[in-house]
Amino acid sequence: GQQLNQSPQSMFIQEGEDVSMNCTSSSIFNTWLWYKQDPGEGPVLLIALYKAGELTSNGRLTAQFGITRKDSFLNISASIPSDVGIYFCAGPHNTDKLIFGTGTRLQVFP
Amino acid sequence: NAGVTQTPKFQVLKTGQSMTLQCAQDMNHEYMSWYRQDPGMGLRLIHYSVGAGITDQGEVPNGYNVSRSTTEDFPLRLLSAAPSQTSVYFCASSYGSSGEKQYFGPGTRLTVT
Repeated sequence: GQQLNQSPQSMFIQEGEDVSMNCTSSSIFNTWLWYKQDPGEGPVLLIALYKAGELTSNGRLTAQFGITRKDSFLNISASIPSDVGIYFCAGPHNTDKLIFGTGTRLQVFP
Repeated sequence: NAGVTQTPKFQVLKTGQSMTLQCAQDMNHEYMSWYRQDPGMGLRLIHYSVGAGITDQGEVPNGYNVSRSTTEDFPLRLLSAAPSQTSVYFCASSYGSSGEKQYFGPGTRLTVT
């Protein structure tokens, strides 16, 4: 079935550092979504992308819709302890199913 | 607005028992879905509904049933629990019928012994 591969699988960084993660697909997506899951909570939508090449920011977060439409990238600048969690990419498959990536687990040390 | 609510928060079942995980939303969303989350595997779609009276299978539907008699509620039934169904279950909902921009509930952590 459809798969979204995220890398890296996990990251351990120091507070203040910038973070980059990506998501790739074997097929084209028309929408890319980025979610964050805090420990013990459900995922929350961070950013939605609808157009190839689109660059969208939400505070310290910036996401890009890849030109090939088979990938997307998420950057976090100047990380802080509350950035800890799991970051998921997601995209709609066959218009009515949302497929999630395997997640990137971020740990921030003070 | 309470958003998406799920009950119970935790549940322990014995193999072979049945139970229903409850999900409700008060945002008048057409689309509702159930996912399970296992370590290292992200979120996998179990069943979804694009409106009251309409349900369909996701990626991992075996062992689970759903129904959608109202817009607000979307219960997930485990017919005969198995240890492989030990997981965290999330319900989600969204505007429209495409499943985009889903709002998630807090999850139900299920253990089957």
